[in-house]
Amino acid sequence: TQLLEQSPQFLSIQEGENLTVYCNSSSVFSSLQWYRQEPGEGPVLLVTVVTGGEVKKLKRLTFQFGDARKDSSLHITAAQPGDTGLYLCAGTTNAGNNRKLIWGLGTSLAVNP
Amino acid sequence: DAGVIQSPRHEVTEMGQEVTLRCKPISGHDYLFWYRQTMMRGLELLIYFNNNVPIDDSGMPEDRFSAKMPNASFSTLKIQPSEPRDSAVYFCASSFSRGGMGGRNQPQHFGDGTRLSIL
Repeated sequence: TQLLEQSPQFLSIQEGENLTVYCNSSSVFSSLQWYRQEPGEGPVLLVTVVTGGEVKKLKRLTFQFGDARKDSSLHITAAQPGDTGLYLCAGTTNAGNNRKLIWGLGTSLAVNP
Repeated sequence: DAGVIQSPRHEVTEMGQEVTLRCKPISGHDYLFWYRQTMMRGLELLIYFNNNVPIDDSGMPEDRFSAKMPNASFSTLKIQPSEPRDSAVYFCASSFSRGGMGGRNQPQHFGDGTRLSIL
């Protein structure tokens, strides 16, 4: 069974701090997607990483896909209260026409003003 | 363009009652997914459709759950009879199959969910 483990599970920081959250697996994924979910809403895609070693930046957010395509990280610089939410990673496989995403349980981030 | 629309947003009912959740996917999307989210288990895929045809229902917990997609713009998830352990937030998501790798990397677009409480 393919699993994605996210850490830490919970994180509470002050505005302006930097943080990194992780998404790890023993399985290889063809791509990883990162979503953010705010209370009362569904997850919204932030980025998709496809190539091993790939780094993508979205303003203050930096996403990296591991060289072996088994893990990924999300780094936030100078966190703001608007970054508060549940960060979910989800992996895709090359298995035929399978459209299932393998989801992590998420990192719940609270940024305090 | 409107996003994925789910109804109702909240449902509170007594155990044993039938519950019907509704979803309108984004126009033009050919994949539709039903998920259940709880604190303990996270997001669980229940079933997904491609071009209105169920492709994988291995995540449906038991026979009390059923899902239909009679046309490209509407899907339902029914629970009959409902039980307290079915209480969760249920999400519908849609995506389309264009793009590289058969669209496998396309994002899933989620509705705002239905918060279901079975008393």
